[in-house]
Amino acid sequence: DGGITQSPKYLFRKEGQNVTLSCEQNLNHDAMYWYRQDPGQGLRLIYYSQIVNDFQKGDIAEGYSVSREKKESFPLTVTSAQKNPTAFYLCASNPLDRLYGYTFGSGTRLTVV
Amino acid sequence: AQKITQTQPGMFVQEKEAVTLDCTYDTSDPSYGLFWYKQPSSGEMIFLIYQGSYDQQNATEGRYSLNFQKARKSANLVISASQLGDSAMYFCAMREGRGGATNKLIFGTGTLLAVQP
Repeated sequence: DGGITQSPKYLFRKEGQNVTLSCEQNLNHDAMYWYRQDPGQGLRLIYYSQIVNDFQKGDIAEGYSVSREKKESFPLTVTSAQKNPTAFYLCASNPLDRLYGYTFGSGTRLTVV
Repeated sequence: AQKITQTQPGMFVQEKEAVTLDCTYDTSDPSYGLFWYKQPSSGEMIFLIYQGSYDQQNATEGRYSLNFQKARKSANLVISASQLGDSAMYFCAMREGRGGATNKLIFGTGTLLAVQP
């Protein structure tokens, strides 16, 4: 079945370290997104990409970086510049030729220790 | 700027009763889409229902219906005949434009629904 795979499910990071969260989709969707979720808050957009080798900053891009070298993959790196990285991270994808059809991964819970 | 507001942090409902989750939105774009998602404790986001701004009728999907009041910029989710499995966080979201380059989803803060037996 088609879908989005996020890995790992749980991730622990020491302060000062960079970590990369994986997001892979086999839906042939053009657009991919990274969201951050904190308790009591909705999802906030970090980065998004509508085409390979191109991506745009969302509302909270500081301290994060992404790449889109393949249509299927959109990894997110949480850098040491991100002051409060502990959160739940969700990846999503969407076909640009439809008004709706967003698909979400199951998320990665990142904890700084 | 577009904005989604969910004013109910938490709600209780008795099993088999109906419940309405509130959502208001703000946008200056005449073309937009409204979504409701369910997030159980496992964290996955489950799509429930979609309403386009030009849709004449309220959207329905099984036990879910969307009470769309365009003039009031309101898009409330109605869940009929609540079940214990409906206990989850519910998010309202909006996409401005008709897709393509404007496919970003903006989310509200969510409503935590607890269904009591």
